[in-house]
Amino acid sequence: EVQLVESGGGLVQPGGSLRLSCAASGFTFRSYEMNWVRQAPGKGLEWVSYISASGSTFFYADSVKGRFTISRDNAENSLYLRMSSLRAEDTGIYYCAREPVAVAGAPLDYWGQGTLVTVSS
Amino acid sequence: QSVLTQPPSASGTPGQRVTISCSGSSSNIGSNAVNWYQLLPGTAPKLLMYSNNQRPSGVPDRFSGSKSGTSASLAISGLQSEDEADYYCAAWDGNLSGQVFGGGTRVTVL
Repeated sequence: EVQLVESGGGLVQPGGSLRLSCAASGFTFRSYEMNWVRQAPGKGLEWVSYISASGSTFFYADSVKGRFTISRDNAENSLYLRMSSLRAEDTGIYYCAREPVAVAGAPLDYWGQGTLVTVSS
Repeated sequence: QSVLTQPPSASGTPGQRVTISCSGSSSNIGSNAVNWYQLLPGTAPKLLMYSNNQRPSGVPDRFSGSKSGTSASLAISGLQSEDEADYYCAAWDGNLSGQVFGGGTRVTVL
């Protein structure tokens, strides 16, 4: 069974940093691309970042570019999101999501339950 | 303001057909496939439709998807109470080098 379990969320002050983790199991992690997607309270889904299966290619939403860093450890079946210079508008539930390679439209076929990040003083 | 445009709400009685539209541009829907996600309260998002009109295993065939030009739509036929959820369209955007989502449509079963 495919499982994605996020952790690392919590309360952080504006300007602070946080590192999210996503532990993957039930599939060959190194063969899939991965993404982070967030949902602010009462708002819709917002794509945050993408990393290729090998970890050599990354993309970021303009809203987080220069502040967030995505990475992965294929030996540990783990995905990470390092967040710095956090702002109130970064508050929300952060989901990691799996993306099959070379499927038209880049669908996110499995999602974790999410971890809550709250940026507030 | 979301890059893809969806109506905020849709509704129908059990058994009816409900259609949700998703409008984009040439850099996203116009040149890439569309996916749809279902969000039930308190649960992880679920992939409902991919590559415009392909259903993942386990998704009932009363869900269908289509795309034409820079617009896409998701139809739910034979609406059931368990279909009450938020639905989001999404596509890759070549100009932004990232995925873009619609604002979401809340489907209510009357």
